[in-house]
Amino acid sequence: DTEVTQTPKHLVMGMTNKKSLKCEQHMGHRAMYWYKQKAKKPPELMFVYSYEKLSINESVPSRFSPECPNSSLLNLHLHALQPEDSALYLCASSLSLGSRLGSNQPQHFGDGTRLSIL
Amino acid sequence: DQQVKQNSPSLSVQEGRISILNCDYTNSMFDYFLWYKKYPAEGPTFLISISSIKDKNEDGRFTVFLNKSAKHLSLHIVPSQPGDSAVYFCAASFLDSNYQLIWGAGTKLIIKP
Repeated sequence: DTEVTQTPKHLVMGMTNKKSLKCEQHMGHRAMYWYKQKAKKPPELMFVYSYEKLSINESVPSRFSPECPNSSLLNLHLHALQPEDSALYLCASSLSLGSRLGSNQPQHFGDGTRLSIL
Repeated sequence: DQQVKQNSPSLSVQEGRISILNCDYTNSMFDYFLWYKKYPAEGPTFLISISSIKDKNEDGRFTVFLNKSAKHLSLHIVPSQPGDSAVYFCAASFLDSNYQLIWGAGTKLIIKP
């Protein structure tokens, strides 16, 4: 069982719909991430939150809008998506962004939301 | 330019034997290396990691070796079990931007009964 929970597991939406992906973790992690993964490729970083503040936006189109309501929750709001946005969307968390040499702060991933845009 | 390379797209190993997955990198400034396992329709699962100040880290059946002079790391799984069949990703990061994982392309490990 993963300790990062994502809902829904599958989502099919039209290009004019508005929907949200949700992610939850209760490990006390203060850094949370959104990734996009296409088939047979490694995950691509989209957003990073640290202590509930957006730290990194990897030039993601504005049709993707992240939100971090509290330290345990991370949302990704979707609007006017394109067919090429169909992918597996992964949420991850880690203890924090800060680190020191020799410390072990891996990112832990949820099982993702499989998104299909019609 | 691919900074982390997994040159074997797939590897087939007999159950009970040792599985060795390899990863090469080009940037000597990487501070931290990780291995993830991924089953179909699931997210990557963290397996084991190693800091650049070490050359070996062991956790149960999994051992990661780091050879900094060769810019090479490997994951050893002993003994291999059927549940180990999955895609294995090697990843690297820097101390001052540890949110950014630089991923390899993955190696599909198949454990034969």
